[in-house]
Amino acid sequence: KAGVTQTPRYLIKTRGQQVTLSCSPISGHRSVSWYQQTPGQGLQFLFEYFSETQRNKGNFPGRFSGRQFSNSRSEMNVSTLELGDSALYLCASSLRPGQGVTGELFFGEGSRLTVL
Amino acid sequence: DQQVKQNSPSLSVQEGRISILNCDYTNSMFDYFLWYKKYPAEGPTFLISISSIKDKNEDGRFTVFLNKSAKHLSLHIVPSQPGDSAVYFCAAILVSGNTPLVFGKGTRLSVIA
Repeated sequence: KAGVTQTPRYLIKTRGQQVTLSCSPISGHRSVSWYQQTPGQGLQFLFEYFSETQRNKGNFPGRFSGRQFSNSRSEMNVSTLELGDSALYLCASSLRPGQGVTGELFFGEGSRLTVL
Repeated sequence: DQQVKQNSPSLSVQEGRISILNCDYTNSMFDYFLWYKKYPAEGPTFLISISSIKDKNEDGRFTVFLNKSAKHLSLHIVPSQPGDSAVYFCAAILVSGNTPLVFGKGTRLSVIA
């Protein structure tokens, strides 16, 4: 079965612009989480959605936002981009929240954002 | 403040020898710990986990040890193979806390043939 699909895979933006990243979870999965990976900070949690509701939010400024649609697909948006937003943005899906414990949390390949 | 710390950014090991990756945590409430492995251009994949009520969990060549009093866990890979070369992330979670996985910064393992 298809894995977690993230688009676009690579993108380049300039400071001040905004960006929208998309994530299609594994079919049947209703929980989607987003993480930011940078060399200096590792994997940092952004948000988690389940059934179109945000369940958790990480310690990121309000410029970072997300949403989940009725088909479980999720998008995240970063407005007023800064150089420090350059990172790999990873989406992970699971059947339901809390399955990170069982290892049933599946990551996509990520969207690599470069801000110039 | 990093709740999960991987203090070694990189580790280099000869093929066939043991690889030991270390992880420390500060939140004593964490009750489950996991290791994820990440190859370049791929997402992280689950490797092995351990509950806080255990001190060891083994899966083939991979063993995770947990020392709760020291708030320390380690991943042992024996024997190491070139295909093990990847970035390894330690993660922790408070199962009852309705909180997401907390990851460390990762350790890049290079297994040299």
